[in-house]
Amino acid sequence: DAKTTQPNSMESNEEEPVHLPCNHSTISGTDYIHWYRQLPSQGPEYVIHGLTSNVNNRMASLAIAEDRKSSTLILHRATLRDAAVYYCILRPYSSASKIIFGSGTRLSIRP
Amino acid sequence: GAVVSQHPSWVICKSGTSVKIECRSLDFQATTMFWYRQFPKQSLMLMATSNEGSKATYEQGVEKDKFLINHASLTLSTLTVTSAHPEDSSFYICSARAGIATNEKLFFGSGTQLSVL
Repeated sequence: DAKTTQPNSMESNEEEPVHLPCNHSTISGTDYIHWYRQLPSQGPEYVIHGLTSNVNNRMASLAIAEDRKSSTLILHRATLRDAAVYYCILRPYSSASKIIFGSGTRLSIRP
Repeated sequence: GAVVSQHPSWVICKSGTSVKIECRSLDFQATTMFWYRQFPKQSLMLMATSNEGSKATYEQGVEKDKFLINHASLTLSTLTVTSAHPEDSSFYICSARAGIATNEKLFFGSGTQLSVL
């Protein structure tokens, strides 16, 4: 299974942008890059996903490197409610593929 | 958006008893469901993958006779922790997907906190 590497923790100020990096140097051509986040005592929730092009939605933006070996989740204006663990996951093409979580990045927001 | 309902949200049981956790996809048919467990301050660990109408595939080190998974319909999967012991205390999370396309997002239950006394 292709692996992802993320910093263990990051801290940011409220109302400032946050850039969460993810390295996935062994990504294959058909792997989609997914981001999920987990608030305390809850199940993960979907944030965004992409293949090659940068993606935007109401929650965040996803910037994918040209060689696809890394990506960055961008929260444009962090709020206290964005404090969570953010997981970067690769979705392999195979229908039998397992969904494996890495260690994620614990994001703290300073008021 | 699609919703996965997980029940109960928390359960306390005595050592040696069995506990059943339900995972339902409320507005879509889940061809595949995943079961995870999570210890405090750690990531989610995949326990097993279940496809509707077939036996679950367990990850290495997960005892299939202890963690019974049933996926009898396209909207319901259950995880039964049999003869629970204190070391089984954990946060259990289910996840569902509607199809097999890799660009589909996953939907997660809200989790079940199991405490075994």
